[in-house]
Amino acid sequence: QSMLTQPPSASATPGERVTISCSGSRSNIADNFVNWYQQLPETAPKLVIYSDFRRPSGVPDRFSGSKSGTSASLAISGLQSDDEADYFCAAWDADLNGYVFGTGTKVTV
Amino acid sequence: QVQLQESGPGLVRPSETLSLTCTVSGGSVSTTRYYWGWVRQAPGKGLEWIGCIYYSGNTYRSPSLESRLIISVDTSKNQFSLKLSSLTAADTAIYYCARQEGGVSGSYHHDSWGPGTLVTVSS
Repeated sequence: QSMLTQPPSASATPGERVTISCSGSRSNIADNFVNWYQQLPETAPKLVIYSDFRRPSGVPDRFSGSKSGTSASLAISGLQSDDEADYFCAAWDADLNGYVFGTGTKVTV
Repeated sequence: QVQLQESGPGLVRPSETLSLTCTVSGGSVSTTRYYWGWVRQAPGKGLEWIGCIYYSGNTYRSPSLESRLIISVDTSKNQFSLKLSSLTAADTAIYYCARQEGGVSGSYHHDSWGPGTLVTVSS
């Protein structure tokens, strides 16, 4: 029952840039921060962007986040083979009084 | 650096109650900065937020699960736990415990995760 919608897949060649969208509503994306997670196969998710655009220590600056209104985006530039993973957006939802994840996007390099 | 580790049964029968524990090392569950939470992922599916708890016992729970869900914290053992009752096959998933930012910044992001534990609901 995710209320954050992402495209199921995205692809690009090595070195290119890929952008993933996340569509929500006022109660989540517009009024709260958006976070992004990377999940490599058979591993736990890893935080790559928090508070809309901030990068945790150790995450390369090839990863960037942005937000406008009820939509957010994750961009990965200089795409590398080890960026191939599932990516999930997430945000707090004031109407649910809980946290919601996006539907997920599989990035293929 | 904080580390989290889930523990519990890998197989549970339908209608029974699942009990999982997350042991935290390298940090304290009594911190005022973080909540301690649970996320699950059904096979081949996306991430689903289950809920989280503050050291004081204050909890947030997913509306879709809250009637079956109890989350608790044991500060003396530096652990927190999940109990999910009335299980069905739809509860089969990898269950992750994670540290969740406590809302001071308004982000509520999960910055540290356990490796996850697969729970199968089957007779």
